[in-house]
This record gives sequence, C-alpha cells and structure tokens, in this order.
Amino acid sequence: DGGITQSPKYLFRKEGQNVTLSCEQNLNHDAMYWYRQDPGQGLRLIYYSQIVNDFQKGDIAEGYSVSREKKESFPLTVTSAQKNPTAFYLCASSLAGVSYEQYFGPGTRLTVT
Amino acid sequence: GESVGLHLPTLSVQEGDNSIINCAYSNSASDYFIWYKQESGKGPQFIIDIRSNMDKRQGQRVTVLLNKTVKHLSLQIAATQPGDSAVYFCAEIVGFGNEKLTFGTGTRLTIIP
Repeated sequence: DGGITQSPKYLFRKEGQNVTLSCEQNLNHDAMYWYRQDPGQGLRLIYYSQIVNDFQKGDIAEGYSVSREKKESFPLTVTSAQKNPTAFYLCASSLAGVSYEQYFGPGTRLTVT
Repeated sequence: GESVGLHLPTLSVQEGDNSIINCAYSNSASDYFIWYKQESGKGPQFIIDIRSNMDKRQGQRVTVLLNKTVKHLSLQIAATQPGDSAVYFCAEIVGFGNEKLTFGTGTRLTIIP
C-alpha cells in the first residue's frame, strides 16, 4: 500500500529532552512538510523540503530541526528550545511542481511534561 | 494580510440535510484552494480543490464555490451522513510555484442523527 506513515502515534517526554518524530512515505513524492496543530486550531507549517538535502523554514521553525537525507524520509526533531512542544504533529507529502494536493500522515501526539 | 479564516467555528446539521461551510480569504493573489476533512485524532484528508480561474467544482456529494469578488469560498455537502462529522479546513496557495499551503482555523461539522 502506498502512503505516508508517522511513528509513534503517542509520544511522552520530559521537559528539556530532545525528541525525534518519524515520517516516511512510499509515494515517490519530492516534497515533504511538517505541521503543528494545537487544539481547536488550524495547521501551522514548521519546515518543508522540496528535494533531498534541501529544506526551508516554515512559519514556526524556532525550536525545531529537520533533515532530508533520503527522498522517503523527513524526520523532525523537537528540541528543548521549543517553549511549548506539546501538540499534534502532522507530516505531509506532495508531488512538487505537479500537484498542490498534500497527503497527510496519521499524526503524532507529543506530550511534554 | 495573507490569511484564511472561517465564518463559523461549529455547525450542526440534521442527517440527510445539506450543509454549507464557509471560508473567507484576504489575499486577492490566492490562486488555488483546497478543502480538507479531519476526523478526530487523524490527519487531514483531501476533499476537493479549485483553481482561481473557476467558480465552481463538483465532486461526489460535494461542491466548492469560489467568489473572487468578495474573496469567499464555500463547501457544500449534500445529503449529509454521520461519517461527515469532522473538522473541515480550507487552505490556499498564493503564487505560482509556491508549494506552501496556508490553512484556516477550521469548522467543526456535527451531523445530528
């Protein structure tokens, strides 16, 4: 089955720890995205990557880092510098330059205490 | 500014009735819009899209209307079913080659049996 997967679904961390969220896609999409969603709110773009080994900051990149070493993978690290890391994190991918439609993963709910 | 917003945060509709979800945007340069459906605890799913050179587009039980004069977008769902209960987001892209989606805050649609 083609799709985009995120793991784990739920993640708990202590304050001050870095944590890495996984995102993998087998859709052969060039572009991948990370969004953050807070309760009752829309999605805000953290980082995006349109090609391997390249990525750009979104609207709320502070306290986050990403890498794009492989086309199918776009892991997000939530660092201890992120002041309010507890949120629902969504990864998406799209055929950049062909279609604007973004396909979303199931999300990871991160709780930091 | 470049913002996408929704008129109503919640909407309750009797099963079998039609529903209309509205979205206002402020950037007249927006040239592509998408409607997404998000069920609780899941990632958003694509419903339908429309380009700025169109006024209307129909899918299965859904119709999107675009009024560029008043910068207004609506999603009509015909003969609503319990499975239509979800949060609906509109999203826009501004400018050719721009792969970034800007999301509105969402409307929660509840179908009353």
